[in-house]
Amino acid sequence: EVQLLESGGGLVQPGGSLRLSCGASGFTFSGYAMSWVRQAPGKGLEWVSTVINSADRTWYAASVKGRFTISRDNSKNTLYLQMNSLRAGDTAVYYCAKNRGLKVAEWFFDFWGQGTLVTVSS
Amino acid sequence: QSVLTQPPSVSGAPGQTVTISCTGSNSNIGAGSDVHWYQQLPGTAPKFFIYGNSNRPSGVPDRFSASKSGTSASLAITGLQTEDEADYYCQSYDSSLSGWVFGGGTKLTVL
Repeated sequence: EVQLLESGGGLVQPGGSLRLSCGASGFTFSGYAMSWVRQAPGKGLEWVSTVINSADRTWYAASVKGRFTISRDNSKNTLYLQMNSLRAGDTAVYYCAKNRGLKVAEWFFDFWGQGTLVTVSS
Repeated sequence: QSVLTQPPSVSGAPGQTVTISCTGSNSNIGAGSDVHWYQQLPGTAPKFFIYGNSNRPSGVPDRFSASKSGTSASLAITGLQTEDEADYYCQSYDSSLSGWVFGGGTKLTVL
């Protein structure tokens, strides 16, 4: 059974930093691209970032580019999101998701974690 | 403002049929990128529901069907049941943005 478990969320002041982690099990972690998707309170889903299985290619939404860094440790089956220069608009539940599909234009998110809440407020 | 446009809400009585639209552009759906659909029940994480424009994973009832044409896609639900009440999101890849995009979500209410 595929399981994704996020951790690291919490309350942080504007301008602060936070590192999210996502532990994966139930599948060959090193074989799949992984992503972060967020959902602000009462709002829709927003894709944040994706990293391919070998970790040597990454993508970022324009809203987080230059502030967030996605990474992974395949030896630990863990996905990370380093978030710097946090703003109130980054307040959201952050979901870790497993990618599936043959080509980038076909990729979707077939398994999701339960999410971790990040609140940016003074 | 989401890159993919969905109606904020749709509703129907039990047994009826509803359709949720997802309108994109020539840089995503119209460029040939696949459209996928997710269901989010209240207070839970999203769950992938339809993939590759029209494919249902195991466990999704055949009352749910989806299609894609031009720059749009749609999700149809026939024989509405109360347990279908949820938020539904479409998703695709946008080549201009070099990233994945979601619709704003549609809240389905079964009256």
